[in-house]
Amino acid sequence: EADIYQTPRYLVIGTGKKITLECSQTMGHDKMYWYQQDPGMELHLIHYSYGVNSTEKGDLSSESTVSRIRTEHFPLTLESARPSHTSQYLCASSDAGANVLTFGAGSRLTVL
Amino acid sequence: GNSVTQMEGPVTLSEEAFLTINCTYTATGYPSLFWYVQYPGEGLQLLLKATKADDKGSNKGFEATYRKETTSFHLEKGSVQVSDSAVYFCALSQGGSEKLVFGKGMKLTVNP
Repeated sequence: EADIYQTPRYLVIGTGKKITLECSQTMGHDKMYWYQQDPGMELHLIHYSYGVNSTEKGDLSSESTVSRIRTEHFPLTLESARPSHTSQYLCASSDAGANVLTFGAGSRLTVL
Repeated sequence: GNSVTQMEGPVTLSEEAFLTINCTYTATGYPSLFWYVQYPGEGLQLLLKATKADDKGSNKGFEATYRKETTSFHLEKGSVQVSDSAVYFCALSQGGSEKLVFGKGMKLTVNP
């Protein structure tokens, strides 16, 4: 069954560490997204990509960066984590024109 | 800009109770409307959608009708089950874009 995978599911790290959240999808989708979900559950789009070598910033400003070197892979990196980065990060993908997002299970990051 | 306003919770119901979650939107033109559900510890998954006025989306006993005259897409279920306990998000997308705008989410707990 095609799916979208995020690792790690849970991560606790200290301030100043560099972290990468992995996201991979097996559906061949061109479009991929990262959403940040705050403790109040609200979702904010922080990055998206419409294909290989295409990345754009979303509606919410984020200190994280993303890359899209392969269609199936869309990692998110924080160079120097801070407590304000504590959140759940949700990756999603969609087929061109499909208008429906498939979400991963999320990566819950805690920065001490 | 586009926005979604949905009923905020949390809401607690007894099993077999009737559920309504209100959702209204602001958008130009004719957006597509969605309800996503997030079960505990999981990512979001599409519950139902409607792409034009008067369309009714339905799935798993849930229904929502796209009402352009009231800019609404209220979610209803006649008899909730314990397994319906989750967070429910109303969302819209516009112009064929897969960039979704989400409401703030509503947490539903159903007790036996």
